[in-house]
Amino acid sequence: EPEVTQTPSHQVTQMGQEVILRCVPISNHLYFYWYRQILGQKVEFLVSFYNNEISEKSEIFDDQFSVERPDGSNFTLKIRSTKLEDSAMYFCASETGSYEQYFGPGTRLTVT
Amino acid sequence: GQQLNQSPQSMFIQEGEDVSMNCTSSSIFNTWLWYKQDPGEGPVLLIALYKAGELTSNGRLTAQFGITRKDSFLNISASIPSDVGIYFCAGQNNAGNMLTFGGGTRLMVKP
Repeated sequence: EPEVTQTPSHQVTQMGQEVILRCVPISNHLYFYWYRQILGQKVEFLVSFYNNEISEKSEIFDDQFSVERPDGSNFTLKIRSTKLEDSAMYFCASETGSYEQYFGPGTRLTVT
Repeated sequence: GQQLNQSPQSMFIQEGEDVSMNCTSSSIFNTWLWYKQDPGEGPVLLIALYKAGELTSNGRLTAQFGITRKDSFLNISASIPSDVGIYFCAGQNNAGNMLTFGGGTRLMVKP
């Protein structure tokens, strides 16, 4: 069964460094998302991406964040200058337009 | 922004018991989704609901989309130890739009 994959599974970085989180959505999906989950809290929406552009973003998704779909398969989230409060699980999700979003296993980002 | 209130926050039940959890919102949603999350993993889609009043089953799981479009519940019948995890409701307004998640219900099952 097709699934969303994410790499790396765990990323440790120092405050102020740039990180890129990578996702490979399910191949025939058209809508792509990034969410984050701070430890013990609920899942929060960051950004949605369709037709090679951002379609919606939350207040969390400020100028430090960017997304890209550099080729036909990868979908990346970049944080330009990480802060301690960026430490969280980051989930990629995708859907066909059927309203059913499928999530990847997540990348645990630890900022020290 | 939109808020989803999910209850109960946690449940500790005996294996074999039925479980019920629900989500309410002050806003209308067009789609309700229920996910299960195991520790350190991503949410796994259990059930999707598309119409007000819709009742949908997936094995021992049954979920309903409230008539007012502002609530949904999830029932698990005859719980087993592998049902342990955190269950999240999520609401969506349109395809390509964000999911708003509830706070989760942590389910613990005693063998």
